[in-house]
Amino acid sequence: GENVEQHPSTLSVQEGDSAVIKCTYSDSASNYFPWYKQELGKRPQLIIDIRSNVGEKKDQRIAVTLNKTAKHFSLHITETQPEDSAVYFCAAPWGNQFYFGTGTSLTVIP
Amino acid sequence: NAGVTQTPKFQVLKTGQSMTLQCAQDMNHEYMSWYRQDPGMGLRLIHYSVGAGITDQGEVPNGYNVSRSTTEDFPLRLLSAAPSQTSVYFCASSYSGRGARVGPLHFGNGTRLTVT
Repeated sequence: GENVEQHPSTLSVQEGDSAVIKCTYSDSASNYFPWYKQELGKRPQLIIDIRSNVGEKKDQRIAVTLNKTAKHFSLHITETQPEDSAVYFCAAPWGNQFYFGTGTSLTVIP
Repeated sequence: NAGVTQTPKFQVLKTGQSMTLQCAQDMNHEYMSWYRQDPGMGLRLIHYSVGAGITDQGEVPNGYNVSRSTTEDFPLRLLSAAPSQTSVYFCASSYSGRGARVGPLHFGNGTRLTVT
């Protein structure tokens, strides 16, 4: 199956600073890379995704970059706010199966 | 649209008991899947289905059974509960299925299961 590694496992930033979370994957055939946000006690929800035919995608304060050669993709959150505090998961497909990273717990300090 | 609906929200079982976790979606999604979430281990795929009548094993299938008789429903059965199955279970669906390119997962609200 796919091997997805996610770093860091915990991240604390001051409000207004940027946060970056990185994931690596093993299957060079993977072509779709989503990021999910999970607030405490809630379900994971998609926040942004990217397909392998583009290198970057932005949605307001959130962006995802993809380096297919190096097999890694990153989540960038700018101008962080306390409501960005949550656990973030990356994922990559292997056939019809999604493999998830182990999550990054982001804390934004007011 | 209700999206993905899971029942029950909470369940406590004794070792050896069996039960079924229900999952239903009203988005006409071909793809449905079950994950378990344990602290520090992310989400691990138990079983999945790319359409009615088709199921397959994921990363951690042992001790679980699934069936997909309709597009809407994808129940997960615990055959003989063990303490190692204490976890939060999420059902997720996606429009991608047979022949369609993979797409985002829509998750249900989860079932918190404790096996004593």
